[in-house]
Amino acid sequence: EIVMTQSPATLSVSPGERATVTCRTSQSFSSKLAWYQQKPGQAPRLLIYGASTRATGIPARFSGSGSGTEFTLTISSLQSEDFAVYYCQQYNNWPLTFGRGTKVQIK
Amino acid sequence: QVQVVESGGGVVQPGRSLTLSCAASGFTFRRYGMHWVRQAPGKGLEWVTVIGDDGDKKYYADSVKGRFSISRDNSMNMVYLHMTSLRADDTAIYYCAKEQQWGINAFDIWGQGTMVTVSS
Repeated sequence: EIVMTQSPATLSVSPGERATVTCRTSQSFSSKLAWYQQKPGQAPRLLIYGASTRATGIPARFSGSGSGTEFTLTISSLQSEDFAVYYCQQYNNWPLTFGRGTKVQIK
Repeated sequence: QVQVVESGGGVVQPGRSLTLSCAASGFTFRRYGMHWVRQAPGKGLEWVTVIGDDGDKKYYADSVKGRFSISRDNSMNMVYLHMTSLRADDTAIYYCAKEQQWGINAFDIWGQGTMVTVSS
């Protein structure tokens, strides 16, 4: 199974600043990676698929990049509603696997 | 609107069985694979299983293989998760999720989840 290692576990950022979350994978693949946002008491929401394509309705301040074994989610200018937990997920191989999550909190 | 709604969760004793249901609406259900993803209290997300659009393709996480089975009824727009030999570590919120499109097993539609608690 592909192991997904997210870093950092917690990220403290001030509103308006940039946040970057990294996902490293135990096997290389090109682009079958997604990012999700989850707020307390809510289901996850798809942000990015194909490593870099924003899902429907996702603001342009969210961007994804990477290939191989390193992928990145960037939030260019954090808004109050962006403080949440973020997960990466690979869909290159079965079983599908998630990272452990990165909590983005207010600094 | 496009949505999936889970039901069937509850408290069950270790070793017993439980079946979860997921009702889909607002999209052409028979064209999409459907997944179950779970989240233990205070923990991260764990993919559980998938069923292909026609019900032929099924994959399971190792943690549930041989104990859980997924099925669907395309005439009723329903997906089911039949769970047997339940253990304490199966305690979680179980989410039903729709694949984004064929070949893209990212999840663009999630339900609100149904809680399963395995406890004596």
